[in-house]
Amino acid sequence: ELKVEQNPLFLSMQEGKNYTIYCNYSTTSDRLYWYRQDPGKSLESLFVLLSNGAVKQEGRLMASLDTKARLSTLHITAAVHDLSATYFCAGGRDDKIIFGKGTRLHILP
Amino acid sequence: DAGVIQSPRHEVTEMGQEVTLRCKPISGHDYLFWYRQTMMRGLELLIYFNNNVPIDDSGMPEDRFSAKMPNASFSTLKIQPSEPRDSAVYFCASSFTGGYSPLHFGNGTRLTVT
Repeated sequence: ELKVEQNPLFLSMQEGKNYTIYCNYSTTSDRLYWYRQDPGKSLESLFVLLSNGAVKQEGRLMASLDTKARLSTLHITAAVHDLSATYFCAGGRDDKIIFGKGTRLHILP
Repeated sequence: DAGVIQSPRHEVTEMGQEVTLRCKPISGHDYLFWYRQTMMRGLELLIYFNNNVPIDDSGMPEDRFSAKMPNASFSTLKIQPSEPRDSAVYFCASSFTGGYSPLHFGNGTRLTVT
């Protein structure tokens, strides 16, 4: 059964700093997703990673996938307050999509 | 494209009552998922459908929960009887299989059972 673990679960950081959120999954997953959720809102898709070594970037966010290590990372560059949100990774296996617990990111001005 | 539409947005009910949550997926999407979100347990997959057929309902917590998808444009999640521990935000999401596209989530239904 696919299990997805994120760390850290909470992160408070200063504007302008860089940081990385880690997402480990327990068994073979043929795709990895990253989502963002603002408080009281729905989930918004950020990235879909389909193959080993895949890297995608959008603004200050960059996601990568290492299928051999069963690890995906979401890197935040020069954080700004607008990036404060909860970030989820999710793994896909046999059509099931299983989410991690989320990382609540708070960026301090 | 109107996106995934869920109703109602908020539901407050008393323990023991029947609750029905509704979802209209994006036209052309062939997968539909129901998730439940709580602070303690995060996002839990309850059930998912492919081409209107339930594929995996192993996440449905108890027999009190049931889900149907009578056609490609409508799904329901029913709880009967409801209990306070069912209080959560319930999300419906849809996707299509081509290219492993992402899930598109509805705005969710916030359920409170008193």
